Amino acid sequence: QQQVKQSPQSLIVQKGGIPIINCAYENTAFDYFPWYQQFPGKGPALLIAIRPDVSEKKEGRFTISFNKSAKQFSLHIMDSQPGDSATYFCAASEGNTGFQKLVFGTGTRLLVSP
Amino acid sequence: NAGVTQTPKFQVLKTGQSMTLQCAQDMNHEYMSWYRQDPGMGLRLIHYSVGAGITDQGEVPNGYNVSRSTTEDFPLRLLSAAPSQTSVYFCASSYIDEQFFGPGTRLTVL
Repeated sequence: QQQVKQSPQSLIVQKGGIPIINCAYENTAFDYFPWYQQFPGKGPALLIAIRPDVSEKKEGRFTISFNKSAKQFSLHIMDSQPGDSATYFCAASEGNTGFQKLVFGTGTRLLVSP
Repeated sequence: NAGVTQTPKFQVLKTGQSMTLQCAQDMNHEYMSWYRQDPGMGLRLIHYSVGAGITDQGEVPNGYNVSRSTTEDFPLRLLSAAPSQTSVYFCASSYIDEQFFGPGTRLTVL
């Protein structure tokens, strides 16, 4: 059973477009929601993360929107660039302290065309 | 700092063989973990460690063993490889929230 559902599976946008990737979760105990970016042949790297005390977080061109009542969160990439072409994973975990046992979504392959 | 390193990069095994995937980190992180990545399934946690001498199971631990004798190293052992263990394996280390992933080991079991 997939605890974190991610969509779409793949996405193609033109340079300058705003791709949006969505994730939904069931476990209301989740309280940490990171997004990881992975380039081919590399390990995932943390892009941005949010905790449920805020509804939005921005870091550069990347924004997480969080809707606690709907149990959904999404990643927006402003002014997307070809260098943003990668696979993006949402994840979730519970517990404020200690090791974060991340549950990952299935990933979204993003292609930004020049 | 090298960060998280993994060896080997690629490995082909026959069914029933055993092997150890190596993972090391030089960031003095308390927490280390192993994930496997399969197409269409994201990453799934195999085992993790919260310090030297302390390990615990993740979501998919069957067929794998771990131990942590030092802060730096966290090897993953496949006891008797099966085709279902064909995957890309990632090791990660963390101190608080952010997990730093290694470059991965691509394992094929024939």
